[in-house]
Amino acid sequence: GESVGLHLPTLSVQEGDNSIINCAYSNSASDYFIWYKQESGKGPQFIIDIRSNMDKRQGQRVTVLLNKTVKHLSLQIAATQPGDSAVYFCAENSRGAQKLVFGQGTRLTINP
Amino acid sequence: ETGVTQTPRHLVMGMTNKKSLKCEQHLGHNAMYWYKQSAKKPLELMFVYNFKEQTENNSVPSRFSPECPNSSHLFLHLHTLQPEDSALYLCASSQEGQGRTEAFFGQGTRLTVV
Repeated sequence: GESVGLHLPTLSVQEGDNSIINCAYSNSASDYFIWYKQESGKGPQFIIDIRSNMDKRQGQRVTVLLNKTVKHLSLQIAATQPGDSAVYFCAENSRGAQKLVFGQGTRLTINP
Repeated sequence: ETGVTQTPRHLVMGMTNKKSLKCEQHLGHNAMYWYKQSAKKPLELMFVYNFKEQTENNSVPSRFSPECPNSSHLFLHLHTLQPEDSALYLCASSQEGQGRTEAFFGQGTRLTVV
């Protein structure tokens, strides 16, 4: 069935270190993936996306890696800053389905 | 500012009350969504509207009634809710038909049922 899950519910990193947030999905038909960031009191905000015909995509300080063989997605944040503290969600969409399936979320905490 | 505005931001209602949540998108999108976000649960899709037509209802109880008068506005009418319905209700919009469904979210309405 469709499900998107996260390996860890919480992640603490030192300011300036790199962060890696992981996500597993089960739907083989998934062809589009998104990472969202949700800060306290706000709605989810788009960070970066990737289509299934790609393995890697880079943005500003963020990189998304997709491994379709093991159905795994990761978000890498370089030089983590206090403003990166938030809950991060992965979401997937399969061809023809007009909806995003979200994972549970990982709370990223930055230690000074 | 994400282009999706939700009102009110906070709402406290009794179980016998009737209230409505409002969402407006300024992005020219053709699809709108209601999601429910409860503590320690993934975002749950409730309703999908595409070109003002409801295309999905994810087994949502009838005490939640959506309305989409046009492609820019979406309402969620609430009546006789239960305390377990307390959650953050998020509205989102997207442009369908381009092979991707990147959704833009509003700030949400924090609903408390007492």
